[in-house]
Amino acid sequence: GAGVSQSPSNKVTEKGKDVELRCDPISGHTALYWYRQSLGQGLEFLIYFQGNSAPDKSGLPSDRFSAERTGGSVSTLTIQRTQQEDSAVYLCASSREQGGATTGELFFGEGSRLTVL
Amino acid sequence: AQSVTQLGSHVSVSEGALVLLRCNYSSSVPPYLFWYVQYPNQGLQLLLKYTSAATLVKGINGFEAEFKKSETSFHLTKPSAHMSDAAEYFCAVSDPYDYKLSFGAGTTVTVRA
Repeated sequence: GAGVSQSPSNKVTEKGKDVELRCDPISGHTALYWYRQSLGQGLEFLIYFQGNSAPDKSGLPSDRFSAERTGGSVSTLTIQRTQQEDSAVYLCASSREQGGATTGELFFGEGSRLTVL
Repeated sequence: AQSVTQLGSHVSVSEGALVLLRCNYSSSVPPYLFWYVQYPNQGLQLLLKYTSAATLVKGINGFEAEFKKSETSFHLTKPSAHMSDAAEYFCAVSDPYDYKLSFGAGTTVTVRA
């Protein structure tokens, strides 16, 4: 597709359930990011994938959060045993990398809004 | 570690008036700085970026920003606001040798007719 695609756009779940959020990056972009956007706060870095390198998971808030990227393309963010504080918009972005450092030009999807009741 | 502070969570301007959004950064190395915009129900998109070349950076839609090292600032301006500028604006900073962007809390701009 032309842009970063995320699904579902909206997800309402009950506390304690598991959820999966999907991101399909722009074709040819080797870098993929997940950020979380909570009301009134900035974007919080969660995880970064670059090619075949080990992902940077330093932003994941707890071990209930995990992410994978299959075949260097599609990524899935999984939240186990959801809590109310997990409610937020989860944003995926992809980027072309140059020499291992960011170009700074991240292309974002429209996000997946998660509501935990 | 790098961080940014955006002064003012909400700015309201009249159509045709100056838009000024403030961003101050903290960085232990010469930073890369960015402004992103998020229109309603859309993903964030890059407005402009500073990567140690010219200190006055021009972006899309008539926006520009000036890097001032002495003030650790990267304020965003547009001389004349348009209704279509209503959106949320995010300042971000990165270490040139890193891939992570640290974002500010965002400033919502409303434009009055």
